[in-house]
Formats: sequence, C-alpha cells, structure tokens
Amino acid sequence: DGGITQSPKYLFRKEGQNVTLSCEQNLNHDAMYWYRQDPGQGLRLIYYSQIVNDFQKGDIAEGYSVSREKKESFPLTVTSAQKNPTAFYLCASKGAPYSSGGVTDTQYFGPGTRLTVL
Amino acid sequence: AQSVTQLGSHVSVSEGALVLLRCNYSSSVPPYLFWYVQYPNQGLQLLLKYTSAATLVKGINGFEAEFKKSETSFHLTKPSAHMSDAAEYFCAVSGGTSYGKLTFGQGTILTVHP
Repeated sequence: DGGITQSPKYLFRKEGQNVTLSCEQNLNHDAMYWYRQDPGQGLRLIYYSQIVNDFQKGDIAEGYSVSREKKESFPLTVTSAQKNPTAFYLCASKGAPYSSGGVTDTQYFGPGTRLTVL
Repeated sequence: AQSVTQLGSHVSVSEGALVLLRCNYSSSVPPYLFWYVQYPNQGLQLLLKYTSAATLVKGINGFEAEFKKSETSFHLTKPSAHMSDAAEYFCAVSGGTSYGKLTFGQGTILTVHP
C-alpha cells in the first residue's frame, strides 16, 4: 500500500539534545512538508521541499533543520535551539504540481510523531 | 496572504442531529479549500476539497461543503451526526502555488452525544 510513515510514534528528549524525526513516503510525490501542531493553534508549517536537494523555510523554522537527499525521505531534526519543542509533528507529501488527475493540491499526511521534552 | 478562521473551537451535537462546522477564508488569489479530520493521536485525513469546479462538494463519510465566494465561506455539514464523527476538524486554504502551501484554521473539536 502507498502511504506516508513517520517514526517513532512517541519520542522523549532531554533538554539540550538534538533529535531526528523520520518521514518516508512511497507515493512518488515530489513535494514534502513538516508541520507542528499545538493544541488550539492548528498546524504551522516548519519546512517544505519541492524537489530533491532543495528545501525552504516555512513559518516557524527557527530551531529546526531538514535534509532531502532522496525523494522518499524528508527527516526533521529538532535542535537544542528550539525553545519549546514539545508538540505533535506531522509530515505530509503532495503530488507533482502539473500532473493530471485533479489531486495536485492535496496533501496527504503521515500518522505523526509526538515529541516530549523531559 | 491567506488566512482561515474556524468559528467555534468546540461544537457539540446529539447523535442524529445536523452537523455544521464553520470556516471563513481570506485569499488574494482564487483559493483551493480543504476540510481534514483528525482522530486522537493520528494524522489528518482528507474529507473533501474545493478546486473551482462545483461549488457544492461531497466528501467521505456523508460530509459536504459549499463554497460561497460572496461570503468567503466553506462551511462543512452533515445531515445526521454519528458517534464516529467525534474528532477534530480543520479547514485549510491553498493559493494554488506550485509548492502548495496550506494555511490551516485553528480546528474545531466535534463532540457527539448519544
């Protein structure tokens, strides 16, 4: 089955540590996204990538870093510079912008990773 | 710039009653509009989307939404609520840019009472 996987489901971090959240997709999508979700605030965009080896900052990129070495993978690192990292993190992917089928602007989401700082 | 406002962070209905979740948007370009549903500790699932075709959009699980340009609204409805509809619902807008950035509303938690 095609889909998006995120691991781990739960992650605990000590203050001062960097942690990396995994996101993998087998949908052959070009674009991938990372969102942060906090209660009552909806989803906020951290980083996005339209193609391999390219990525852009979103609205709240400070304290985060990403890489896009493979089409299938878009890992997110939460660094010690992120002041309040406890949140639910969601990865999404979207098909190529000019492909046919009418679904070019639909983002599909993974199951999420809940990060807690101890 | 785009924005989404969901009126009511919590909505409570009885089983079998009408569900109405409100969404108003602001966009400087013709928008694409989406409704997603999220169950506890899970990712988001697409319910339906508007992409400038029919203004009344039907989605999964009996939900539908109507795009009203004059009111800049995209309210989500379901004629008869089911207990399994209890979840959080998000409205989102995209400007159709090539990177497809979505701007989300704050979410509405739907509670269904027996």
